[in-house]
Amino acid sequence: DAGVTQSPTHLIKTRGQQVTLRCSPKSGHDTVSWYQQALGQGPQFIFQYYEEEERQRGNFPDRFSGHQYPNYSSELNVNALLLGDSALYLCASSLQNSPLHFGNGTRLTVT
Amino acid sequence: EDQVTQSPEALRLQEGESSSLNCSYTVSGLRGLFWYRQDPGKGPEFLFTLYSAGEEKEKERLKATLTKKESFLHITAPKPEDSATYLCAVLNQAGTALIFGKGTTLSVSS
Repeated sequence: DAGVTQSPTHLIKTRGQQVTLRCSPKSGHDTVSWYQQALGQGPQFIFQYYEEEERQRGNFPDRFSGHQYPNYSSELNVNALLLGDSALYLCASSLQNSPLHFGNGTRLTVT
Repeated sequence: EDQVTQSPEALRLQEGESSSLNCSYTVSGLRGLFWYRQDPGKGPEFLFTLYSAGEEKEKERLKATLTKKESFLHITAPKPEDSATYLCAVLNQAGTALIFGKGTTLSVSS
C-alpha cells in the first residue's frame, strides 16, 4: 500500500518564478493538507483540501494556492517566489478524524 | 492563541539512558495531542494520539502521557536507532490543522 507520494523531491528556483508541487494521497484518503517546514522549525499549516474545495487556510499570503482533483491528488502553487519561501513542503493525507500521514516532502530552494 | 512549546531543543543520551521529552500546550479545548517522529530528509511519521488527561500510549521503548497542560514522551533504554527529531502537535479548534512545536532532536550514542 503506497503511502503519500510527493514530486519532485528537490527543486531549485529563482526569485520571482512560479513553482508547482504535486501530491498523491495514501490510498483511501480523501483529505489533503499542505505544510511548510523551515529549517529547525516545526511544520506550519498552509491549507487543507476536501472534496476539491479549500476547507481552511493558515496564515499564508495569496501567492500560495492549491487544487485538489477528483482522484484526491493535489497541487500546491507558489507565485512570485521569495528567498524566504525556501523550505521543505510537506503534503499530508487523512480520512475524517484520523491522524495525518505525511509524505517525504519537496525541498524547495529559492536563489 | 493555540501554542505548543517543546523542551529541550536537543538531547544527547547514551544507549540505555532513559529520559523524557516535554510538550507544553495552550489550546481552547483539546481535540487531540499528537506525537510524530521525523528522520533527516523525511516527513513526520505518526507515533501517538492522546485525547484526555491521564491517557497513556506505548510503543516499543516509547510511552506518551498527557496532563491538562503538557505531554511527556518517555524513552526507556534508548538505542541509536531512536535518534530523530520528535514533534508534538495539537489539533486546532476547527479540527482541520495541526499546530506543531519546534521539536526535540534526540541523539543516542552507543
